[in-house]
Amino acid sequence: SQQGEEDPQALSIQEGENATMNCSYKTSINNLQWYRQNSGRGLVHLILIRSNEREKHSGRLRVTLDTSKKSSSLLITASRAADTASYFCATPPGSNYKLTFGKGTLLTVNP
Amino acid sequence: DTGVSQDPRHKITKRGQNVTFRCDPISEHNRLYWYRQTLGQGPEFLTYFQNEAQLEKSRLLSDRFSAERPKGSFSTLEIQRTEQGDSAMYLCASSYRDFYTEAFFGQGTRLTVV
Repeated sequence: SQQGEEDPQALSIQEGENATMNCSYKTSINNLQWYRQNSGRGLVHLILIRSNEREKHSGRLRVTLDTSKKSSSLLITASRAADTASYFCATPPGSNYKLTFGKGTLLTVNP
Repeated sequence: DTGVSQDPRHKITKRGQNVTFRCDPISEHNRLYWYRQTLGQGPEFLTYFQNEAQLEKSRLLSDRFSAERPKGSFSTLEIQRTEQGDSAMYLCASSYRDFYTEAFFGQGTRLTVV
């Protein structure tokens, strides 16, 4: 079964705008990770946030984590056409090492 | 290139045939994962290894599927008597043995069963 669930399923914005994607998960976690996948390709790790962190930044990415609500958000600022991809949140549930993924958010950035 | 490599990138096979995929992880990673992904879905966990030991298998991994990681290096995933429902992207990933570390994915093997 899938641990995480992203929202929205699809998002279309104009270049330069910000994009926000949300992830909800079910069980306790020790960290949450975000990945990007370009069409038909492998996944690329973007950022990892630990369960004791509330916010983390990496370049144009900002991730928040609310463990009380079991949710996370990924914000991409000043989006570019090259950001067009599917974005997945992934969690290793509890003390398990395996990553479980949601269905993803398909982001389209129009030039 | 020191990334995760998968071979072949594409495989077309007839229903009922056996297929085998190979994954070469990043050399210093001791964890190796296999996932399956169908169109519009996220990767679904199949199995993972720590060194040569297969520690967990998903119930998705029917008895037609077998994975090995001899000597804790490369891994193979074999599907016997393929069915059309096996058509998917098969992804391999590797990571360090640590909770707070990311997984590195290969480009995947796209299997089409006709």
